[in-house]
Amino acid sequence: KNEVEQSPQNLTAQEGEFITINCSYSVGISALHWLQQHPGGGIVSLFMLSSGKKKHGRLIATINIQEKHSSLHITASHPRDSAVYICAVRLETSGSRLTFGEGTQLTVNP
Amino acid sequence: DSGVTQTPKHLITATGQRVTLRCSPRSGDLSVYWYQQSLDQGLQFLIQYYNGEERAKGNILERFSAQQFPDLHSELNLSSLELGDSALYFCASSLRPYNEQFFGPGTRLTVL
Repeated sequence: KNEVEQSPQNLTAQEGEFITINCSYSVGISALHWLQQHPGGGIVSLFMLSSGKKKHGRLIATINIQEKHSSLHITASHPRDSAVYICAVRLETSGSRLTFGEGTQLTVNP
Repeated sequence: DSGVTQTPKHLITATGQRVTLRCSPRSGDLSVYWYQQSLDQGLQFLIQYYNGEERAKGNILERFSAQQFPDLHSELNLSSLELGDSALYFCASSLRPYNEQFFGPGTRLTVL
């Protein structure tokens, strides 16, 4: 079993829809990252959080440490949001390296 | 643009060969991480350096080695290449080990 599980694996939405991607982890962590990977391959760091909620533009990330769960929300989705979204955690027992989920492929249709 | 640069962008080579991937961290960042992204294994941590010293090792093969130089750029050396080494190799940097990591554009390695 992976230490980091994401759902769904694939998500197709219509432009303007509200989108939620979920991440669950099974062990203690010191931080969680949400990353975005575009078809060209580059990875962009969206958020790093260890508690509560962060917002940047149309993106919102939340984390519940007790429930070992994080969500990434995209409001008013747009075709340019189409990408793979990856949840990565910094395990308490593994220093500052990241352990990654398998990613969620998001496609937003116009 | 994250400020992390990686060269080359693409590399095509043959089995048995040796290659060197280069990473320049963001200005001021002391910590460098190398990650491998393959189709079957996803993203995996390889190795981390902090201020020139090796800090942590992950699933890095003995055929692979890395170093961080005094100017803080890092190189990942891959030798005796096999078909299965074909992957995207990412470098990330952070100010210090527990700060947010910023990723470079990656080097796509194809071993034929």
